[in-house]
Amino acid sequence: NAGVTQTPKFRILKIGQSMTLQCTQDMNHNYMYWYRQDPGMGLKLIYYSVGAGITDKGEVPNGYNVSRSTTEDFPLRLELAAPSQTSVYFCAGRDGVSPLHFGNGTRLTVT
Amino acid sequence: GDSVTQMEGPVTLSEEAFLTINCTYTATGYPSLFWYVQYPGEGLQLLLKATKADDKGSNKGFEATYRKETTSFHLEKGSVQVSDSAVYFCALRDIQGAQKLVFGQGTRLTINP
Repeated sequence: NAGVTQTPKFRILKIGQSMTLQCTQDMNHNYMYWYRQDPGMGLKLIYYSVGAGITDKGEVPNGYNVSRSTTEDFPLRLELAAPSQTSVYFCAGRDGVSPLHFGNGTRLTVT
Repeated sequence: GDSVTQMEGPVTLSEEAFLTINCTYTATGYPSLFWYVQYPGEGLQLLLKATKADDKGSNKGFEATYRKETTSFHLEKGSVQVSDSAVYFCALRDIQGAQKLVFGQGTRLTINP
């Protein structure tokens, strides 16, 4: 049981480049979330999904997009990378009243 | 909107010391409360939770009590170990809608032998 898997673990982007952060889960989670973690700032919610085909904005959605074509996958897209998007990104999932299960994170640097 | 405020870090203690990390929250309704722990290079893991007032969550020697009257959920441990060194996050989850988690800013704890 792999849980919540994120790829890549690390990435360096140049300003203006685009990339997709992958997140997949094999725990049949209905709810999935993308957070970013900045030093001393806790975790901020970027986007979330309550089920396949349904997504919604969180607290800090600007500069990002998501899709949820299947229950298992919830990719996060950066179209025009900016230095302000340098952060550690965490994907998480849960079902019903279960606690969140987190992936191990993707550390992104934009220079 | 909902918010969580945690004790500022970093916190440095000696092994076997008593630990308290303060957490207070602001929320409409009656949220569930959580403590998550993050070890270096890893994602967050649930440490303990409480779903209603006066509930006490406990795990691995850590405890926290849901205090509705003071809107607090302070984390305590009677005798810390070096292996407890990590970042600790307090969080709340609204019981309505998508039940999103709102996190505090995290408290870095270092335990010296």
